[in-house]
Amino acid sequence: SQTIHQWPATLVQPVGSPLSLECTVEGTSNPNLYWYRQAAGRGLQLLFYSVGIGQISSEVPQNLSASRPQDRQFILSSKKLLLSDSGFYLCAWGKGGQETQYFGPGTRLLVL
Amino acid sequence: AQKITQTQPGMFVQEKEAVTLDCTYDTSDPSYGLFWYKQPSSGEMIFLIYQGSYDQQNATEGRYSLNFQKARKSANLVISASQLGDSAMYFCATRGVGISYNTDKLIFGTGTRLQVFP
Repeated sequence: SQTIHQWPATLVQPVGSPLSLECTVEGTSNPNLYWYRQAAGRGLQLLFYSVGIGQISSEVPQNLSASRPQDRQFILSSKKLLLSDSGFYLCAWGKGGQETQYFGPGTRLLVL
Repeated sequence: AQKITQTQPGMFVQEKEAVTLDCTYDTSDPSYGLFWYKQPSSGEMIFLIYQGSYDQQNATEGRYSLNFQKARKSANLVISASQLGDSAMYFCATRGVGISYNTDKLIFGTGTRLQVFP
């Protein structure tokens, strides 16, 4: 069966520091990968989408970037965090032609 | 553009009773899908049920069923025999097209917080 992992689970970072969140998927190949952000009490907003290694689509202009160095690895990064980057970050995977996206456990990021 | 509306910020239900969580959608796509996810306090988004717009029957998954009324553009989630563990946020979603040509994404509603009491 497929599983999706995210780490770290929780992160507290000062403003201006770098960020690296990792997501890995097991049990499937060539998945579509997604990074979403959820602000407190809100729904999810798509940040990045990837259909393959090195292929990244950005949904909204922001302080963040994403990379996909391996088929089942998706990384969310920032060179300098802003207060507004605080939130809950969820990684998800899906398969082309199938509808459902499956989410990881998420990372809670607090920027102080 | 696709849009999901969940008008119930919070719902209460007694254990073992059924509850309906409302969802209406707006899309111009001729073919679309509707999803429900559960988000407990731990934060993980758990997929519950999916309904395709051309499915002839309403989707069911165990205690979850989707009351799909295409003409009214509604896709309400029905939870039967509520359990204490059902207390969580529930999100309705549909697929949408992103900025990039081949980006697909889920468009979420604002969610409904369900609390099940003994």
